[in-house]
Amino acid sequence: DADVTQTPRNRITKTGKRIMLECSQTKGHDRMYWYRQDPGLGLRLIYYSFDVKDINKGEISDGYSVSRQAQAKFSLSLESAIPNQTALYFCATSDSPGGETQYFGPGTRLLVL
Amino acid sequence: GQSLEQPSEVTAVEGAIVQINCTYQTSGFYGLSWYQQHDGGAPTFLSYNALDGLEETGRFSSFLSRSDSYGYLLLQELQMKDSASYFCAVGAAGNKLTFGGGTRVLVKP
Repeated sequence: DADVTQTPRNRITKTGKRIMLECSQTKGHDRMYWYRQDPGLGLRLIYYSFDVKDINKGEISDGYSVSRQAQAKFSLSLESAIPNQTALYFCATSDSPGGETQYFGPGTRLLVL
Repeated sequence: GQSLEQPSEVTAVEGAIVQINCTYQTSGFYGLSWYQQHDGGAPTFLSYNALDGLEETGRFSSFLSRSDSYGYLLLQELQMKDSASYFCAVGAAGNKLTFGGGTRVLVKP
């Protein structure tokens, strides 16, 4: 079984809809991250969490929110989806002191029409 | 904030050596990480340098010079399966990474 899982793997939605992307991990790591990747570009950090009570904004948090329901679960929500949020979304976990070694889920491909 | 520069694409033949350079600007630098991502796949961790010098892991090596704000990833004995994108990432205050735009490596027979 995969250590970091994401659901759904693919999602098509319409402008204005609220959607949630989910991430679960069995690695027992405290640190969890949400990234966005646009074609041909690197990963940009949306939100990150060091435990269930510690949520932090990344460089592109506008239009997104997160929930850390448990150590193993970290969800990303788009409150009102817009077309420029079409991207590949990755969840990652880490137990390294500076977050330098991260383990990524398989990604969720999101299309907003 | 942080910024990283790496070449967008490199092409080489099987068996060759490729060096991917990464220069960065950041405050509170902790270290430089490298990740590999195959098309359609997730990034996977390759190496990490916190101190100056060369780290070797099989065919891949990574180098860091903190004084020059520079590092590189060296891919030796290139194989077709090494065709992928390679990202450098800096760790800084806040225990998070900032990624570069990635270097696409194309290995030809």
